[in-house]
Amino acid sequence: AQRVTQPEKLLSVFKGAPVELKCNYSYSGSPELFWYVQYSRQRLQLLLRHISRESIKGFTADLNKGETSFHLKKPFAQEEDSAMYYCALNFGNEKLTFGTGTRLTIIP
Amino acid sequence: DTEVTQTPKHLVMGMTNKKSLKCEQHMGHRAMYWYKQKAKKPPELMFVYSYEKLSINESVPSRFSPECPNSSLLNLHLHALQPEDSALYLCASSIPTDQETQYFGPGTRLLVL
Repeated sequence: AQRVTQPEKLLSVFKGAPVELKCNYSYSGSPELFWYVQYSRQRLQLLLRHISRESIKGFTADLNKGETSFHLKKPFAQEEDSAMYYCALNFGNEKLTFGTGTRLTIIP
Repeated sequence: DTEVTQTPKHLVMGMTNKKSLKCEQHMGHRAMYWYKQKAKKPPELMFVYSYEKLSINESVPSRFSPECPNSSLLNLHLHALQPEDSALYLCASSIPTDQETQYFGPGTRLLVL
């Protein structure tokens, strides 16, 4: 079955510490993976996608096909990173399937 | 204009009412989406329109009726809803050749009494 899994519902990290938000997927094809973010009282927005291989707001994510993972990382957390993060996957059709999300809280 | 707008922001309706949600974008996107998001849950896809034609209906009950009158506008007509339909309804749009990069509206928060 095609699935996106975010094992952590909640994650708290101290300011300045590294952050890693986990995302695993199950899909036999070539996936396209994304991270979307929703800050408090703001709309859902794209953070980054694996094919662009860019760093946005200090976040990076590498697609690991062997481990079927697309973890989101940032070396030094900032308070403004507190938000809801969704991993999303396109299974080769018009649809995005979202994971259940991880609420990240940065502790000052 | 680089945003997806949605009206109204909030809506309270009874189970016998008929109401409509509206979504608008002027970015030239030809794919538009309706999602339903319950509290503390991810968005769930309801409908996809591509070039003003319905391309995906995720087995949504008929009390939800989408409409795409033109390339900039997407409506969701509501009739005889149930209290469990209370949720945040999100609209999104994208370029059809890049449907994964979706631009979301702020949502309409719906309460069905």
